Amino acid sequence: AQSVTQLGSHVSVSEGALVLLRCNYSSSVPPYLFWYVQYPNQGLQLLLKYTSAATLVKGINGFEAEFKKSETSFHLTKPSAHMSDAAEYFCAVSEEGGSQGNLIFGKGTKLSVKP
Amino acid sequence: KAGVTQTPRYLIKTRGQQVTLSCSPISGHRSVSWYQQTPGQGLQFLFEYFSETQRNKGNFPGRFSGRQFSNSRSEMNVSTLELGDSALYLCASSFGYGGANVLTFGAGSRLTVL
Repeated sequence: AQSVTQLGSHVSVSEGALVLLRCNYSSSVPPYLFWYVQYPNQGLQLLLKYTSAATLVKGINGFEAEFKKSETSFHLTKPSAHMSDAAEYFCAVSEEGGSQGNLIFGKGTKLSVKP
Repeated sequence: KAGVTQTPRYLIKTRGQQVTLSCSPISGHRSVSWYQQTPGQGLQFLFEYFSETQRNKGNFPGRFSGRQFSNSRSEMNVSTLELGDSALYLCASSFGYGGANVLTFGAGSRLTVL
């Protein structure tokens, strides 16, 4: 079965600093990969997805992620953090042979942004 | 257009009771998935429905069940509630089944079991 590992359950950055949230997946074949964001008392919102069209994926709110097959990684970055980016971020992978409904999520990383 | 609507948003039950949660997908979406979110286990897949048929099921006991209606609305039921069932239950819908279909999540139903 596939799995997703997010390094760091909490990440704190200063406003204007680089945001780097790490995600590694286990798979022998390129899966579909996703980043979702969850604000307090809300559901999950899709930031971006990788579906093999391009290794560098741009998402909403200035976020992007790069798929690196050799490292089985899909790290999320944003050049300059904003206070409104404070939220919990989840990396997810689709099951091999399954539908997107079978998303496997990482444990999440809470991002704090200091003024 | 309206997003995914989940009702109720909050509910409190006692052990042994049962609960039914409702999910109305985005208009035109035919696939509905359910996830349980807890601080300890994170987000775990419960089941997925497409065109009224359960397509996939996660590793949950039989106390957890669901169904989908002809209008794509879905319900999930948890019987004989346990304290450990306290969680945020998230519903997500997508247009199709499989591939790169994007999941759109609702705000969730927060269940507290006392």
